[in-house]
Amino acid sequence: QVQLQESGPGLVKPLETLSLTCAVSGYSISRGYYWGWIRQSPGRGLEWIGGIYHSGSTHYNPSLESRVTMSVDTSKNQFSMRLTSVTAADTAIYYCATYYWAGPFDNWGQGTLVTVSS
Amino acid sequence: QSALTQPPSASGSPGQSVTISCTGTSSDIGNYSFVSWYQRHPGKAPKLLLLEITKRPSGVPDRFSGSKSGNTASLTVSGLQAEDEADYFCGSYAGSNNYVFGTGTRVTVL
Repeated sequence: QVQLQESGPGLVKPLETLSLTCAVSGYSISRGYYWGWIRQSPGRGLEWIGGIYHSGSTHYNPSLESRVTMSVDTSKNQFSMRLTSVTAADTAIYYCATYYWAGPFDNWGQGTLVTVSS
Repeated sequence: QSALTQPPSASGSPGQSVTISCTGTSSDIGNYSFVSWYQRHPGKAPKLLLLEITKRPSGVPDRFSGSKSGNTASLTVSGLQAEDEADYFCGSYAGSNNYVFGTGTRVTVL
């Protein structure tokens, strides 16, 4: 069974870059799946950030595309995301998840809270 | 793309049924059968409940069922149990490799 664990700083200053990593166990990233990131800001629903295939091809939410970059490290069996120029609006619980081309998102990490504050 | 609209809350007594709506547009729910539902208990990872509107992954009780009409999908939880108290989110493929989720519904078992 695929297990996912997010890691990264819990606090990021405004206008800096948020970097998160998702460690994968129980499944090789190289085998398939899309590897995605989703977030939930306080008082709001879930928001798909984007995803990456094991080959490295990426798809991003158009509303975040100018600020987000995703990558995959098959040697470490993990994938990562970077979100630049963060503001308080980027404060959220960030989840990593696996999904197929049109969904669904069938394996999720427990999430990591990231607060943007000076 | 805008978030799918769900009622903020829903409730029912044990044994009753509760139905949660998820309203989108003709660009997402109305155009695709790739609608899914997720359950999330506080502090836990979301869990996939339904995919492709009505399909249940292995291990999900048949008390959970789904449907779709036009731009609105629905999740029905029958025979409510205390363990069903959680947040529920819908999700839909929105075309061009985009995905949209719902605003979430907190279900309370009275």
